[in-house]
Amino acid sequence: DGGITQSPKYLFRKEGQNVTLSCEQNLNHDAMYWYRQDPGQGLRLIYYSQIVNDFQKGDIAEGYSVSREKKESFPLTVTSAQKNPTAFYLCASTRGGAGELFFGEGSRLTVL
Amino acid sequence: GQQVMQIPQYQHVQEGEDFTTYCNSSTTLSNIQWYKQRPGGHPVFLIQLVKSGEVKKQKRLTFQFGEAKKNSSLHITATQTTDVGTYFCAGGRNQFYFGTGTSLTVIP
Repeated sequence: DGGITQSPKYLFRKEGQNVTLSCEQNLNHDAMYWYRQDPGQGLRLIYYSQIVNDFQKGDIAEGYSVSREKKESFPLTVTSAQKNPTAFYLCASTRGGAGELFFGEGSRLTVL
Repeated sequence: GQQVMQIPQYQHVQEGEDFTTYCNSSTTLSNIQWYKQRPGGHPVFLIQLVKSGEVKKQKRLTFQFGEAKKNSSLHITATQTTDVGTYFCAGGRNQFYFGTGTSLTVIP
């Protein structure tokens, strides 16, 4: 079945540590996105990529980094520079342009 | 960046009552999408509106896109407990700006 797989589902890290969240899709979609969701809030865009080897910052990119070496994969690294990293992270993809977003099940990161 | 506001933030209704959430953008949108996120889940696409003044229906759900393409609404008729969740609007092209969401609670 086609879809988006995020891992891990739950992650705990200590302050000062970098952590990488995985996002893989087998939908053959060109565009991929990372969103952050905090309790009671909407989704805020961290980074997005429309083609391989290219990506753009969203509204809250500070403290995060991404890569897009393969069409299927768009990993997100939460660095120690991110001041408040505890959140629910959602990866999404679309064929491109204004098509519907398909979301993964999310990764919940807790910084201890 | 683009601002997309939604009201109300929370709504509690008795089962069988109607529910409406409103979405307003600071700029004209090329399209508007609506998503539903069940508690503990991820957003799931409901519908996309593209044309000015467009109205679309999905069973008990009615979606509208404003004439100026800066606002939209989602109306649910006769809510059921399965309607529980947070409803988000999202607009844009290449970048999708999400509204703040409306959390719907349905009391049996």
